[in-house]
Amino acid sequence: DTAVSQTPKYLVTQMGNDKSIKCEQNLGHDTMYWYKQDSKKFLKIMFSYNNKELIINETVPNRFSPKSPDKAHLNLHINSLELGDSAVYFCASSLGPDVLYEQYFGPGTRLTVT
Amino acid sequence: QKEVEQNSGPLSVPEGAIASLNCTYSDRGSQSFFWYRQYSGKSPELIMFIYSNGDKEDGRFTAQLNKASQYVSLLIRDSQPSDSATYLCAVGGQNFVFGPGTRLSVLP
Repeated sequence: DTAVSQTPKYLVTQMGNDKSIKCEQNLGHDTMYWYKQDSKKFLKIMFSYNNKELIINETVPNRFSPKSPDKAHLNLHINSLELGDSAVYFCASSLGPDVLYEQYFGPGTRLTVT
Repeated sequence: QKEVEQNSGPLSVPEGAIASLNCTYSDRGSQSFFWYRQYSGKSPELIMFIYSNGDKEDGRFTAQLNKASQYVSLLIRDSQPSDSATYLCAVGGQNFVFGPGTRLSVLP
């Protein structure tokens, strides 16, 4: 059974379009995250939700909007896509936001904006 | 703002040798530290975590933590070509901070 899943795995789209990425975890975790990994492979947190509530909102353009319909799902909607949005987006989850909990990652969504 | 630093590598070791990966962090109050392995084109995979000063062993992997020096390391004994990957050090918290990763190449 896949613990953290994401769809789609690949996303190719043109500048200016709007797209969404979906994430689901079946680990029973309370906390979910979105990360961006750029071409230099640097992994940076974007958002975190704990039990459907936003708890981390890093400096990210407001074209990015996360939504958590329930604690097992966290989606990422991106408006007006730009070339610089091309990256791999990873969803992750953890038992809770506590400092001691490890995070488990989904397989990633490779977004290419042309 | 928390910062985590690692040598980007590549670190090349022969098969069977010990690979030593190092990480330093800026926030003296950090309490938890994680090592992830990431193969090319794949997602980060948790290898180990450590909270207390000293060594923690799991199979061929040993994590070492020195909070006074703000230093974490990962030793991989009997390195195998399948260990070739990027190793990411992360400092835990509500805001997980990852280092840039060290690329390890184990040569047959």
